[in-house]
Amino acid sequence: QSVLTQPPSASGAPGQRVTISCSGSGSNLGSNTINWYQQFPGTAPKLLIFSNNERPSGVPDRFSGSKSGTSASLAISGLQSEDEASYYCASWDDSLNGPVFGGGTKLTVL
Amino acid sequence: QVQLHESGPGLVKPSETLSLTCTVSGGSMNPNYWAWIRQYPGKGLEWIGFFFYVGRSTYNPSLKSRVAILADMSKNQFSLTLNSVTAADTAVYYCARGRDGWYFDIWGRGALVTVSS
Repeated sequence: QSVLTQPPSASGAPGQRVTISCSGSGSNLGSNTINWYQQFPGTAPKLLIFSNNERPSGVPDRFSGSKSGTSASLAISGLQSEDEASYYCASWDDSLNGPVFGGGTKLTVL
Repeated sequence: QVQLHESGPGLVKPSETLSLTCTVSGGSMNPNYWAWIRQYPGKGLEWIGFFFYVGRSTYNPSLKSRVAILADMSKNQFSLTLNSVTAADTAVYYCARGRDGWYFDIWGRGALVTVSS
């Protein structure tokens, strides 16, 4: 059972905008920033969004993040077939004194 | 370009010790911190622990009694040992570089470790 809660799946047609939610509690999202990772089958997670809404170099601006209270979301606009992957949210947890992850959302591009 | 590479046995017997090494290439281990993270077959991710360049390690409380993370800075390597393993420890083990804000910007390719007799 993951500490952060994500929907197991999401889908959208090419060109559409999709959002993936992540919910937590006061000890994690409520007091710390959120990070998002993208993972393709058989590969390692890749940092997608850090510090709520910052993109590492090379990540398209189609990807954006937001956080409010104990919830956060990842938005992908102009959906492309290459975006089909699993997406994980993560945050620091003050109770654990370490990072916690969501269970992951598998995004299907229809 | 910093790269990470995990190495170690892919099969460990129950009750024995899992040992993995992460080699850091293309850069120094200072002044960052380094992590071990595992991913279960059902896809969940779990933080195992950190090694900080000042020589301190911290661990997930659920694993603290069984785990140790050490480093050999002269070799640009850090290691993971997990004692008394069971089938529940079967996972892909990743090493990663940590950054301010508690996120991981560089990951190794991962090492699948299966616990089975």
